[in-house]
Amino acid sequence: SQQGEEDPQALSIQEGENATMNCSYKTSINNLQWYRQNSGRGLVHLILIRSNEREKHSGRLRVTLDTSKKSSSLLITASRAADTASYFCATAPIQGAQKLVFGQGTRLTINP
Amino acid sequence: DSGVTQTPKHLITATGQRVTLRCSPRSGDLSVYWYQQSLDQGLQFLIQYYNGEERAKGNILERFSAQQFPDLHSELNLSSLELGDSALYFCASSLTSGDFQETQYFGPGTRLLVL
Repeated sequence: SQQGEEDPQALSIQEGENATMNCSYKTSINNLQWYRQNSGRGLVHLILIRSNEREKHSGRLRVTLDTSKKSSSLLITASRAADTASYFCATAPIQGAQKLVFGQGTRLTINP
Repeated sequence: DSGVTQTPKHLITATGQRVTLRCSPRSGDLSVYWYQQSLDQGLQFLIQYYNGEERAKGNILERFSAQQFPDLHSELNLSSLELGDSALYFCASSLTSGDFQETQYFGPGTRLLVL
């Protein structure tokens, strides 16, 4: 089963609005990563946030991490049509086998 | 363009057959990872190789195997194929062994359809 669960499963907003996606996970982690996937294509790494970090920025992206709640959020500000894609969170668990565990993703649609 | 290449882009085969997927990592990257993406299972980590050696193992079936060659390219072998093996198979690479602490760069994927 997937460790990360994204919420919402789908999000549709107007261009220029902000988009917020959430991710919850179950076990303690080393880091949490966000990826973007355009339809049927490869994943593009967006941000990696480590377990001792609370917030990270990259351009129009802002990621927060709350390890006490085992949750993360990805905020995309001033959305553009090109931001239309699926967004996945992925966690690297501390215990157990080393691996990256992906959530089911949020499908984001930006309407012009 | 991530710099990771995968061939072929598409593959159609029959149940019971065997196929080989190929991946060339970014120049300088030592780790290669394989992932499977299907509608029902989502994205799953299969296996990681670092500098020719198996480094980490995920949900890889016994019918599947992989290897990394001295030139660091990797191959994923899928045998005794079943309908449920139809999926997108991604390869990713990273600079070091990583322990999943560093950025992975994904290839465009190989879409496998088993009929």
